[in-house]
Amino acid sequence: DTAVSQTPKYLVTQMGNDKSIKCEQNLGHDTMYWYKQDSKKFLKIMFSYNNKELIINETVPNRFSPKSPDKAHLNLHINSLELGDSAVYFCASSPAGAGELFFGEGSRLTVL
Amino acid sequence: AQSVTQPDIHITVSEGASLELRCNYSYGATPYLFWYVQSPGQGLQLLLKYFSGDTLVQGIKGFEAEFKRSQSSFNLRKPSVHWSDAAEYFCAVGDSGGGADGLTFGKGTHLIIQP
Repeated sequence: DTAVSQTPKYLVTQMGNDKSIKCEQNLGHDTMYWYKQDSKKFLKIMFSYNNKELIINETVPNRFSPKSPDKAHLNLHINSLELGDSAVYFCASSPAGAGELFFGEGSRLTVL
Repeated sequence: AQSVTQPDIHITVSEGASLELRCNYSYGATPYLFWYVQSPGQGLQLLLKYFSGDTLVQGIKGFEAEFKRSQSSFNLRKPSVHWSDAAEYFCAVGDSGGGADGLTFGKGTHLIIQP
């Protein structure tokens, strides 16, 4: 069983389009995150949710909108895609108070 | 604000040789420290973590790391590397309060294994 799963794994789209990435965790964790990994492999937190409540919203364009329908799911919707949005987006989860993150396999977004 | 520095962007090691990857952190209190490994096209896998107690921690795949508070370091070591260890390695620091702040990652060290 995959603990943190993301779909799709690959996404190729044109500038200006809107796309979504879905994430689900079956670990029973309270907190979920979105991280962005750029072409130089640098990982930066974008959002965190705890029990469906937004906790962290880093300096991310408001074209990015996370949604957590329940504590096992955290989706990422991106409007009006730009070339600079091309990256690998990682979903992660952690149990309350533990610090350790469990990562999905990533979703590689390519904007043409 | 917390930060992590991995001074080596690339390291090349011969198969069977020992390995040490450097990590320095900046954090106001006692940090939670982690090493993750990322193989090409994969997500991040936890190698080991330090929360408290013994400053030498053992991880998976034969890796270990030592927390040195005086040097603000958490270097990763392996006595003998295998070709399958070629990957990107990330050091990370987290809030010891255990909140939902996530982890702050270093920029990674790319490990190349020579035959």
